[in-house]
Amino acid sequence: ILNVEQSPQSLHVQEGDSTNFTCSFPSSNFYALHWYRWETAKSPEALFVMTLNGDEKKKGRISATLNTKEGYSYLYIKGSQPEDSATYLCAFIITGGGATNKLIFGTGTLLAVQP
Amino acid sequence: NAGVTQTPKFQVLKTGQSMTLQCAQDMNHEYMSWYRQDPGMGLRLIHYSVGAGITDQGEVPNGYNVSRSTTEDFPLRLLSAAPSQTSVYFCASSYRNNQPQHFGDGTRLSIL
Repeated sequence: ILNVEQSPQSLHVQEGDSTNFTCSFPSSNFYALHWYRWETAKSPEALFVMTLNGDEKKKGRISATLNTKEGYSYLYIKGSQPEDSATYLCAFIITGGGATNKLIFGTGTLLAVQP
Repeated sequence: NAGVTQTPKFQVLKTGQSMTLQCAQDMNHEYMSWYRQDPGMGLRLIHYSVGAGITDQGEVPNGYNVSRSTTEDFPLRLLSAAPSQTSVYFCASSYRNNQPQHFGDGTRLSIL
């Protein structure tokens, strides 16, 4: 069974705090790892797609790292703002065994930033 | 560009009825997929397509059919609606599966 775990399930921080979440996925036959930001009543919006071990991506105050050998990715938000409040989803793809092309999502980390 | 367009936005069905959820994209994307979103379950892949004429099953395909006769359109069919199919359905597309997915606005479906 292909499974991706995200932790924590939810997080409440104060404005200005820096925070990070974890996405764990099967390390065998890794192909790609996606991060999405999902605001309430909207559709998911892509943040990053990462494919190489050691990859680091940055978009404003948000950055992500990837470790394909141990099967995890971290998403960091520096100086959280109320507008960062959303659910952050990760999704992975592996190759082989009929799983290629299947993008499997985690259940997300719900971030609430208090002003 | 309109992006990914889903219709309808809301639908109420009775058990046993059939219907088709429409999804169209104008970005010439090869990869298209359907997800359902249920509380506590995240997004679960129903069916996907890597190009016109090619479809495959995702994690939860039972009770749903798809076809991909053109690059632009990827309809999802419920053959005989069941209350367990009450959910919010999202369509997404991208150039390839290792490229960012563009999501539609979703279809909220209730089966009574």
